[in-house]
Amino acid sequence: NAGVTQTPKFRILKIGQSMTLQCAQDMNHNYMYWYRQDPGMGLKLIYYSVGAGITDKGEVPNGYNVSRSTTEDFPLRLELAAPSQTSVYFCASSRVAGGQVGTGELFFGEGSRLTVL
Amino acid sequence: EDKVVQSPLSLVVHEGDTVTLNCSYEVTNFRSLLWYKQEKKAPTFLFMLTSSGIEKKSGRLSSILDKKELSSILNITATQTGDSAIYLCAYAGNNRKLIWGLGTSLAVNP
Repeated sequence: NAGVTQTPKFRILKIGQSMTLQCAQDMNHNYMYWYRQDPGMGLKLIYYSVGAGITDKGEVPNGYNVSRSTTEDFPLRLELAAPSQTSVYFCASSRVAGGQVGTGELFFGEGSRLTVL
Repeated sequence: EDKVVQSPLSLVVHEGDTVTLNCSYEVTNFRSLLWYKQEKKAPTFLFMLTSSGIEKKSGRLSSILDKKELSSILNITATQTGDSAIYLCAYAGNNRKLIWGLGTSLAVNP
């Protein structure tokens, strides 16, 4: 019962490097999300997707890109890493829109801790 | 701008105590309110409260939605050290994005 799988769990980057955080879900969920969580700051939405081929910006999209070529996968790309992108990143998925009555709960991956030095 | 405020931000109790966590929202077009528990890693779902389901209970945890006061409480009775976590609430409106509070950090000491 994999659920939402994120890789890598930990990564250290140098300023200016690029990398991709991988996210895969095996629940056939339409909606997928990327959040970042900084200490004391709650969850901030970076990007989300309502289905394969459709993505949209969240609250804090600058410095990131996403793609959704399949239902299962939703990678997050960091271009030109900056110290401000040091954070814990969570990928999540839901069957219907988050919070929608019935089955709108989000399922989260275990997180990817990224440090940019 | 829609907003979710949780209080207190942190709380330390002893095992066996009862705690009440608060989540208030200043939002338009309320659809649902969700509670999550976050231990070391991923947030895990606890409850969803809606206009047609304003009270939920699971074991020692229970939650109530007060639409008039625009708030929700999460109660934990007979707390255990395993209840130590960050408790997050999130509001859902008509768009597809959840608005999250900052969380309440609960520490239960033996």
